[in-house]
Amino acid sequence: GAGVSQSPSNKVTEKGKDVELRCDPISGHTALYWYRQRLGQGLEFLIYFQGNSAPDKSGLPSDRFSAERTGESVSTLTIQRTQQEDSAVYLCASSLLLGGYGYTFGSGTRLTVV
Amino acid sequence: AQKVTQAQTEISVVEKEDVTLDCVYETRDTTYYLFWYKQPPSGELVFLIRRNSFDEQNEISGRYSWNFQKSTSSFNFTITASQVVDSAVYFCALRSNQAGTALIFGKGTTLSVSS
Repeated sequence: GAGVSQSPSNKVTEKGKDVELRCDPISGHTALYWYRQRLGQGLEFLIYFQGNSAPDKSGLPSDRFSAERTGESVSTLTIQRTQQEDSAVYLCASSLLLGGYGYTFGSGTRLTVV
Repeated sequence: AQKVTQAQTEISVVEKEDVTLDCVYETRDTTYYLFWYKQPPSGELVFLIRRNSFDEQNEISGRYSWNFQKSTSSFNFTITASQVVDSAVYFCALRSNQAGTALIFGKGTTLSVSS
């Protein structure tokens, strides 16, 4: 597509429930990234996918967080047994290869855990 | 380890003032890339500029200019004659040229421009 698409744009869930967040990268972008942005804070790296290589999961905050990507297309970020501290905007970005290419970000999914 | 520091948390100026947003970075890489992004109240991150570590030329784009100095590991961003529409959070970011690395962001500087 023309841009990075994320869905849903807003999600309110009860504490303890599982949620799935979806990201559709720009067609042809081999690299895909998930970031978390808590209210008033900077961007916290979560996970990155590059082609068929093993993903870099070094930023995932706990084993309740996981992500998948099928080839070079859609990615889903799953948060199990959500906690109030998971409330944040989850941003997805994609880019061409590595190195000097900037990212194109989606509009994010605002997750609120009540 | 890589790190980006934006020491200014919030800046408030009046329209038409010039304002400089500071960014200091740390990296052991010889090849790396620096970025600035703007995040307006709508929330979407907007790419502003990319600079590679071998290019220390300053850049000007309209009212925006960037000063990259490797000697001080700084990549500062200046907005000339600020406008209300410039109000946003501005993030500086760093990326290594090595495979398997992600963009590392500073904590951002919130710029408020009043009329």
